[in-house]
Amino acid sequence: EADIYQTPRYLVIGTGKKITLECSQTMGHDKMYWYQQDPGMELHLIHYSYGVNSTEKGDLSSESTVSRIRTEHFPLTLESARPSHTSQYLCASSPTDRGVTEAFFGQGTRLTVV
Amino acid sequence: RKEVEQDPGPFNVPEGATVAFNCTYSNSASQSFFWYRQDCRKEPKLLMSVYSSGNEDGRFTAQLNRASQYISLLIRDSKLSDSATYLCVVILHGQNFVFGPGTRLSVLP
Repeated sequence: EADIYQTPRYLVIGTGKKITLECSQTMGHDKMYWYQQDPGMELHLIHYSYGVNSTEKGDLSSESTVSRIRTEHFPLTLESARPSHTSQYLCASSPTDRGVTEAFFGQGTRLTVV
Repeated sequence: RKEVEQDPGPFNVPEGATVAFNCTYSNSASQSFFWYRQDCRKEPKLLMSVYSSGNEDGRFTAQLNRASQYISLLIRDSKLSDSATYLCVVILHGQNFVFGPGTRLSVLP
């Protein structure tokens, strides 16, 4: 089993609230990612980080922000949640390239904004 | 054109059938290739890496054709538990994972 954890697993929250989705990994991986996935749809990369103090936006524009102050921790924040943010958010990590590497995923946070 | 494209699916097959999934990628500099499996409402998990010489893991065989920029996954003697969405994944050297849209498989009793 991969050692990457997301909390909360499920979150229902009102419009306008600020929320932070937590993601932690204990594998010492430098690279971490946030993906957004609607039911039955494909994964979209919204943020990634190649190490501490490194954050970049992904292919899909997102109103969320991320930070990477510690290697093991990559939280995602929505300053003001809206119903359009309702989705599943998946965090992943991978080691720096050393031959063929894989991405390990957390179990996801299913967010519903009402 | 998307960077990674897959058979649109869904594939509905009877138990015991052999099923093949196809995937094409647009960037010839892509270096690493994977097949992931994602069960309904779960996170993706690595099924197998894809090597240039092709590789097999039990009932699963993956092939890579760099000249045609094409990857395949063959599942033999399919089981009910194989029902899932299969994601083709490509990495450029040092870059991010690029996931295909996935092909959904339903194995029917």
